[in-house]
Amino acid sequence: GESVGLHLPTLSVQEGDNSIINCAYSNSASDYFIWYKQESGKGPQFIIDIRSNMDKRQGQRVTVLLNKTVKHLSLQIAATQPGDSAVYFCAEMSGGGADGLTFGKGTHLIIQP
Amino acid sequence: DSGVTQTPKHLITATGQRVTLRCSPRSGDLSVYWYQQSLDQGLQFLIQYYNGEERAKGNILERFSAQQFPDLHSELNLSSLELGDSALYFCASSVMAGGSTDTQYFGPGTRLTVL
Repeated sequence: GESVGLHLPTLSVQEGDNSIINCAYSNSASDYFIWYKQESGKGPQFIIDIRSNMDKRQGQRVTVLLNKTVKHLSLQIAATQPGDSAVYFCAEMSGGGADGLTFGKGTHLIIQP
Repeated sequence: DSGVTQTPKHLITATGQRVTLRCSPRSGDLSVYWYQQSLDQGLQFLIQYYNGEERAKGNILERFSAQQFPDLHSELNLSSLELGDSALYFCASSVMAGGSTDTQYFGPGTRLTVL
């Protein structure tokens, strides 16, 4: 079936650098996308979302980019900090949520001092 | 802290047994969602309840069932447990019935270990 997937399982960046986490999705009917952060021993924490009628959305230190042509989603984290270490999941929704959220496998972001 | 609470935090049981996981949504949220997180399957949507009624169903086994009570808390019942049911079980809640921008906030999870 269609699913959301991630390109890289692990991403290592230097503290202070910008991080870019990528996600590919295959369901062309998806109309809503969300990024979640999951720290060890905790539940997923909402970071930022974007609707399919937008191609960019910015939050505090984070930006989500959506390219519907190639079905690609990315999360950019500016000036990465040690507290950003976590697993990042992209999730998508279609059909008004009739199937819940479909999550990707996750990318583990590691911050090097 | 998301405002979603789950109990117990950890649960260890044997194969063939039955357990109940409990979730209290954020104040004011009407929807409750259950997800299973395992190493091989990742985070998978199980079921959603909205204001006491089943709203959406995902990859939930027939051995599993859920309900949402009048006070909006929810319980996930897992029966005839198998080793493969060992996983983290998350509850999430949202304000409305779901759909785009109805953000789901996750609880801390219950770690189930089946021996």
